[in-house]
Amino acid sequence: NAGVTQTPKFQVLKTGQSMTLQCAQDMNHEYMSWYRQDPGMGLRLIHYSVGAGITDQGEVPNGYNVSRSTTEDFPLRLLSAAPSQTSVYFCASSYTRTQNEFFGPGTRLTVL
Amino acid sequence: RKEVEQDPGPFNVPEGATVAFNCTYSNSASQSFFWYRQDCRKEPKLLMSVYSSGNEDGRFTAQLNRASQYISLLIRDSKLSDSATYLCVVNRALEYNNNDMRFGAGTRLTVKP
Repeated sequence: NAGVTQTPKFQVLKTGQSMTLQCAQDMNHEYMSWYRQDPGMGLRLIHYSVGAGITDQGEVPNGYNVSRSTTEDFPLRLLSAAPSQTSVYFCASSYTRTQNEFFGPGTRLTVL
Repeated sequence: RKEVEQDPGPFNVPEGATVAFNCTYSNSASQSFFWYRQDCRKEPKLLMSVYSSGNEDGRFTAQLNRASQYISLLIRDSKLSDSATYLCVVNRALEYNNNDMRFGAGTRLTVKP
């Protein structure tokens, strides 16, 4: 099993550009989530999904969209990148919401 | 005030030392608790879940005090490979579809020869 995979590993954007961060898991997990990690702060939840076709907002959803058309994939879209979105983004998945999550390797995003 | 608070450290200890990390959380409705380990520029990985009765996994012992809203992690006989940042995580989800996972900012540990 590949576990949770994320692409790209690194990305540089200009302010106002849009892009999609990809996330996939091959563990048949129902629950998937997106976090951002900034220096001195804990991981903060952006959006999550409890199954295909179901998504909801987390703690810091503004500026991001998600969709879950399949159990395996959970892409994160930045609509119009801003410097405040410079961060490391982690995708995670788990069997259920209360169980521990498995994380992908992360995407380091810089917005100029 | 942050929902999950940890001493950021860094903790610098010699090999073989015992080190303890503390974590406090503010929401009494928190339901499940975890310690994760994160190596530099890597993803977090589960170290252990924390149970009400306390639990041990080899050199690692986790304790939970619900009345004080306090979680601890004890590492005995520290190894160089224990050097990492340790994240305290609490989940206050009360319903199956309700997500409320909160992470502490982490405590950095460096074990020196």
